[in-house]
Amino acid sequence: DVKVTQSSRYLVKRTGEKVFLECVQDMDHENMFWYRQDPGLGLRLIYFSYDVKMKEKGDIPEGYSVSREKKERFSLILESASTNQTSMYLCASTPLRETYNEQFFGPGTRLTVL
Amino acid sequence: AQTVTQSQPEMSVQEAETVTLSCTYDTSESDYYLFWYKQPPSRQMILVIRQEAYKQQNATENRFSVNFQKAAKSFSLKISDSQLGDAAMYFCPSPTQGGSEKLVFGKGTKLTVNP
Repeated sequence: DVKVTQSSRYLVKRTGEKVFLECVQDMDHENMFWYRQDPGLGLRLIYFSYDVKMKEKGDIPEGYSVSREKKERFSLILESASTNQTSMYLCASTPLRETYNEQFFGPGTRLTVL
Repeated sequence: AQTVTQSQPEMSVQEAETVTLSCTYDTSESDYYLFWYKQPPSRQMILVIRQEAYKQQNATENRFSVNFQKAAKSFSLKISDSQLGDAAMYFCPSPTQGGSEKLVFGKGTKLTVNP
């Protein structure tokens, strides 16, 4: 069974802290994604990785960075957390196929920055 | 920028009735897939149904079916015999131009099912 896991379901951090959100997939997928989900705004792409050590900015990369040292793991980093980064964060993955791009999602991390 | 429009932020339906959620998208790709995802309160995104753009026949998956109008770039979801467990946010992402790996999501439709 396809599985994407995220390190925490809920996380509370202080302003200015460095925050790591981890995502692991066990499907040997090449592509991995980090989204942010806010009420009324849907899902917005933060970063995308198409291979180990490869990354591409999404629509809202400001304030975030990513790391992909191993194929199965994609980390989202908030260098200095701010209150406007309080949100739901979703990780997803998809295999490298020409047109079929169903994304498999993790359970989400609800991050609160105080 | 490519967009997906889900014009109904919220919908409600009586249990056992039928409801249709609308979605329009904007892509210049010729061969692509479209999806409907469901996100219940548990937050786990679940694939409900998929449609290949080259297939003229509308996809059906048990109580879920789509009305796919390629020329109009319209992709609506019909839920028949609605159940309480259908209550969720629904999203219909579409492919982005020039890169089939990525999807662009709309704002979603929140479906409430009344007993």
